[in-house]
Formats: sequence, structure tokens, C-alpha cells
Amino acid sequence: EDQVTQSPEALRLQEGESSSLNCSYTVSGLRGLFWYRQDPGKGPEFLFTLYSAGEEKEKERLKATLTKKESFLHITAPKPEDSATYLCAVQARNTDKLIFGTGTRLQVFP
Amino acid sequence: EPEVTQTPSHQVTQMGQEVILRCVPISNHLYFYWYRQILGQKVEFLVSFYNNEISEKSEIFDDQFSVERPDGSNFTLKIRSTKLEDSAMYFCASSVELLAFFGQGTRLTVV
Repeated sequence: EDQVTQSPEALRLQEGESSSLNCSYTVSGLRGLFWYRQDPGKGPEFLFTLYSAGEEKEKERLKATLTKKESFLHITAPKPEDSATYLCAVQARNTDKLIFGTGTRLQVFP
Repeated sequence: EPEVTQTPSHQVTQMGQEVILRCVPISNHLYFYWYRQILGQKVEFLVSFYNNEISEKSEIFDDQFSVERPDGSNFTLKIRSTKLEDSAMYFCASSVELLAFFGQGTRLTVV
């Protein structure tokens, strides 16, 4: 069964304190792995998509990497406005749906 | 920047009533989806829609649910005979190729 597990569930960081979020997945043929940001009461906001092991994408203070079993979202020198829940999702071949993890709730304190 | 628009943002309904949730996908997108998120839980896939028909649906998407693209721009989710456990955020999404963009959601509260 296709599955996504994210860790940690929650992460508290001081402003400027870099860290990484983990997304482990099992999927019957990966079509794509996606990172989304979700603010409270809002819809997921697209950040990155990764397609194959070894691929990396960057956007401002965020960098996503992918291996055959997991993805990391690295946050460099975070700011309070980076506080949100970060969702990982996978899409298997021959399917339309995204399978989401439970997310990592990030809080960045000044 | 184009975005997926959902209305209403919040809907309160009596148990047993029917509700229609509405979405306007991004205009050049071809695939449309409904997902839901029960408070504190994962975002769950309900249904995908392509070329005016359902392309995939989950176990959750039973006869209580239906989708329609009535006029070429709107995409609706109908929930018949609502139950308390249908209370959730419902997200519409649309995609071109693999990139799915989500709306801000409709919070459905069944009382």
C-alpha cells in the first residue's frame, strides 16, 4: 500500500536556526513527490515537485531533496513567516491522486 | 496569478440536508479534484475528473457524493443526506501535467 510518513510531527525553531523535515514514502512506482505549505484554515500551497532520486529544488530559504525512499525539506535561517504546516505528498504511476502525509507543524520564534 | 476559487468559504448545514460546494478551477487546467481534510487529520483524496467524467475515485466517494462540471468553468461537489462525519474542509484542486494547485477550501459543518 502506498504510504507517506512525515517527521517530526512538530518542530519549534529559533529564528535563524536551520533544520530539516523528513518525508519517508513507499509507493508502487513514483511519478512525483510534492511539498506543500499549509497555513491554518487555508488550502495547501504548492512549493516543489521532485521526480527522480538525486533531484534537488530550491526556493528562497527552502531546499527539497529526493532519494529512493525519502525526501527532505531543508530550511535555512528560517524566519517567523515560515511558520506553517509542511505537507509531503506522492503520486504513483497510473493514478491521479496525491497521497498526503500528516505534515510537520513548524513554528519559528523571533 | 491564476488561482482556484471555492465558494462558499464556510457552510453550515443540518444533518440529512444536501449541500453543493463550488469551485472555479484555473482556466487552462484539464484535471480537477476534490480532497477533504477532517480536523487534525490528513488531506484525503475523494475524486478526480477529466474530460467530463470521473477518472478515479476513493472508497470515501460513495453514492452520497457526486461531481459535475455544469458549464465549462465551474466544478461542483454535491453531498446528499449529510452526516455529522462529513464535517471537514473540502478542497478543490486543478492541475496541468502533474502540478496540482489547491483552492482555499470550504469548511463544511454538519449540525
